[in-house]
Amino acid sequence: GENVEQHPSTLSVQEGDSAVIKCTYSDSASNYFPWYKQELGKRPQLIIDIRSNVGEKKDQRIAVTLNKTAKHFSLHITETQPEDSAVYFCAASRGKLSFGAGTTVTVRA
Amino acid sequence: EAGVTQFPSHSVIEKGQTVTLRCDPISGHDNLYWYRRVMGKEIKFLLHFVKESKQDESGMPNNRFLAERTGGTYSTLKVQPAELEDSGVYFCASSLGDGANTEAFFGQGTRLTVV
Repeated sequence: GENVEQHPSTLSVQEGDSAVIKCTYSDSASNYFPWYKQELGKRPQLIIDIRSNVGEKKDQRIAVTLNKTAKHFSLHITETQPEDSAVYFCAASRGKLSFGAGTTVTVRA
Repeated sequence: EAGVTQFPSHSVIEKGQTVTLRCDPISGHDNLYWYRRVMGKEIKFLLHFVKESKQDESGMPNNRFLAERTGGTYSTLKVQPAELEDSGVYFCASSLGDGANTEAFFGQGTRLTVV
């Protein structure tokens, strides 16, 4: 089955700095890569996704890149704000979602 | 539109007891998934329903876990008898298509503690 690895497990950044989370996957047939954000006590919510026919996608301060050859994808958050503090999960799918272990992001004011 | 709802939000039971978790997906979503997150680890897939049929139950840890989705609407996940290692947060998610084509919407989770 699919195996998704996510790094780092924790990330602390100064407000205004950038944050980068990296994931690798094992199943070359995976074709959909969503990122979920889970704030404390809330449900995971989709923040951005990318499909295998696209190399990069951007939505305001959030961007995701995908390298299918290397089987890795990354989340980039620019100009971080305190409300970006949360646990972020990457996932890979070709039918069912396989998640990484999550990255706890803390934005220091 | 109502989102995915799960009940209960928290459950504390003793080892050996039975617990039933319930998930109400978004109306019209044929795909329903159960996931579990043990503290500090990944959100791990348990199983996938398409309507009332089990499409993939490869993630179910053992035969103490039984999932049903009668009528293709809400789903239940029963753990009987519960063991200490079953503790974690159980998430349900639903989607219109399968995960490769449409967004999966998550419930708020059920935090299960087995003591």
